[in-house]
Amino acid sequence: GAVVSQHPSWVICKSGTSVKIECRSLDFQATTMFWYRQFPKQSLMLMATSNEGSKATYEQGVEKDKFLINHASLTLSTLTVTSAHPEDSSFYICSPEGAGDRLGNEQFFGPGTRLTVL
Amino acid sequence: GQSLEQPSEVTAVEGAIVQINCTYQTSGFYGLSWYQQHDGGAPTFLSYNGLDGLEETGRFSSFLSRSDSYGYLLLQELQMKDSASYFCAVRDNYGQNFVFGPGTRLSVLP
Repeated sequence: GAVVSQHPSWVICKSGTSVKIECRSLDFQATTMFWYRQFPKQSLMLMATSNEGSKATYEQGVEKDKFLINHASLTLSTLTVTSAHPEDSSFYICSPEGAGDRLGNEQFFGPGTRLTVL
Repeated sequence: GQSLEQPSEVTAVEGAIVQINCTYQTSGFYGLSWYQQHDGGAPTFLSYNGLDGLEETGRFSSFLSRSDSYGYLLLQELQMKDSASYFCAVRDNYGQNFVFGPGTRLSVLP
């Protein structure tokens, strides 16, 4: 399976600050990156999909100016939560996909980042 | 629209068999997958059904009926470590992304 890392694994910040989350695919080239958010006891909700070198496509209800996604290389994508507020506290998970994986059977996930905004 | 339904909670004892059902309504369908997620962790892949029928992988089996838009995950010889949340997921939007069900929290009792 694919090896995916996320950094940091957890972060606590004050309201109004920005937080950057990095997602790296360590053993394959991620042409597509899915970013999910998961609130406690809820399912994974897709926030946005990005293709390397292109602007991300955001799901309805997700503010693109608040959740900045950069996917400048095939091994690294970042999600920046700008001006974070307590309601942004959640578990953020990335999921890379390589070229040719479309319609593949298995989706790989990063270990997730637990964000707590005070 | 797209929606998946699963029971919210299931409780069983060690050694038992449990079935977690999933029904779906999606605009596209490219197979039903199952994922396990322990508290604080990321989802991990368990099983996939692209065609009707039963797929067996060790203690876990998964079934799909495309005509009924229905599938299930069968866990046999339950162990305490199987206590986790289980999500069904469907590839939707012409294969662009996965849509996850609400999840079923399985509690295995001694």
